[in-house]
Amino acid sequence: GAVVSQHPSWVICKSGTSVKIECRSLDFQATTMFWYRQFPKQSLMLMATSNEGSKATYEQGVEKDKFLINHASLTLSTLTVTSAHPEDSSFYICSAFAGLSNQPQHFGDGTRLSIL
Amino acid sequence: AQSVTQPDIHITVSEGASLELRCNYSYGATPYLFWYVQSPGQGLQLLLKYFSGDTLVQGIKGFEAEFKRSQSSFNLRKPSVHWSDAAEYFCAVVSTGNQFYFGTGTSLTVIP
Repeated sequence: GAVVSQHPSWVICKSGTSVKIECRSLDFQATTMFWYRQFPKQSLMLMATSNEGSKATYEQGVEKDKFLINHASLTLSTLTVTSAHPEDSSFYICSAFAGLSNQPQHFGDGTRLSIL
Repeated sequence: AQSVTQPDIHITVSEGASLELRCNYSYGATPYLFWYVQSPGQGLQLLLKYFSGDTLVQGIKGFEAEFKRSQSSFNLRKPSVHWSDAAEYFCAVVSTGNQFYFGTGTSLTVIP
């Protein structure tokens, strides 16, 4: 079945550094990738929608300059958390979508980001 | 506007007992509905999906869900719960813009 690989699965870094998270669709071309943030015991919060070759569409309240999204190819999207601070600590999940509305999103296993 | 409601934040059942997780949606047209399961620290795994046709859909791991348009519901069921079913369950509806709207989730605890 379709697989989405997300890397790294866990990252710990100092405040002020930038962290890049990769999301790859392994056996299908993803016209759209989504980035979610999930706080403990809560549902997924959509951060942005990323379409290959175009700028990401950010949800209201999500800082574009803080969370840089690049969707350079049909199989890779990256989320860079710039100048990360402790409040950015969270679980980030990507999903990939082949483009048909009757198809599910396929989710990565998530990245646990801890900012010290 | 599209939305999904999962009324039960947390459910506890005994192993071997039956399970029903509730999901209500708000959507103007025929919805595409999904149930996902998430284990701690993991991503989401698709259990089943409804697009059209038979209102009772079968999924993986012995789960099934029934679409009831009159009640705007898509409840998830399993006849006999296993300890490994303990997880967080999310119901979702997809909009015409291909955006997924998730419910707040139901946490399932299974008692041995």
